[in-house]
Amino acid sequence: GQQVMQIPQYQHVQEGEDFTTYCNSSTTLSNIQWYKQRPGGHPVFLIQLVKSGEVKKQKRLTFQFGEAKKNSSLHITATQTTDVGTYFCAGRAGEAGSYQLTFGKGTKLSVIP
Amino acid sequence: SQTIHQWPATLVQPVGSPLSLECTVEGTSNPNLYWYRQAAGRGLQLLFYSVGIGQISSEVPQNLSASRPQDRQFILSSKKLLLSDSGFYLCAITPRARGSPLHFGNGTRLTVT
Repeated sequence: GQQVMQIPQYQHVQEGEDFTTYCNSSTTLSNIQWYKQRPGGHPVFLIQLVKSGEVKKQKRLTFQFGEAKKNSSLHITATQTTDVGTYFCAGRAGEAGSYQLTFGKGTKLSVIP
Repeated sequence: SQTIHQWPATLVQPVGSPLSLECTVEGTSNPNLYWYRQAAGRGLQLLFYSVGIGQISSEVPQNLSASRPQDRQFILSSKKLLLSDSGFYLCAITPRARGSPLHFGNGTRLTVT
């Protein structure tokens, strides 16, 4: 079945440093979504990428979808303590409207003030 | 806007006891409903999803079951809990439009002792 690998599993950074998490799928994706889960909380949707090579920005966060639609990345510039949490990618294979989302295991970000 | 009610927030149950977790939704009609489980330090695993009353799809064989007796009510049950059932159980919804992102409830942390 479809697998979504996410690396690294953990990342510790000094406040102000940049952070990147990578997501790779075993199959071509119709779209990919990113979620953030704060400690003790539930995942919250951040963004969805659909087009090959798509790049989207949300303030200090930059999201990319690979040309082959099999990988994606999330980059945070100049991390802040509010960025702490676990970031998940979730890929949807097959038809764009299929119900099955496969989540990566997440990257847990710690920011040292 | 849509609201997801999930309770209880935490639950400690002995092995072999039954389980019933309820999720109710406000602010939307005919949603797709999902139950996810998150084991400690791991990703999100889809357990069940439902596209309508009485329609349940199971993604992972286990000793859990789900039911949707009403349009905006989704119930997760077990007749006899196992230690391996411990985890963070999240109810999620998407609107009818396919490909929409997931909106999660606050979740229930279940510890089976």
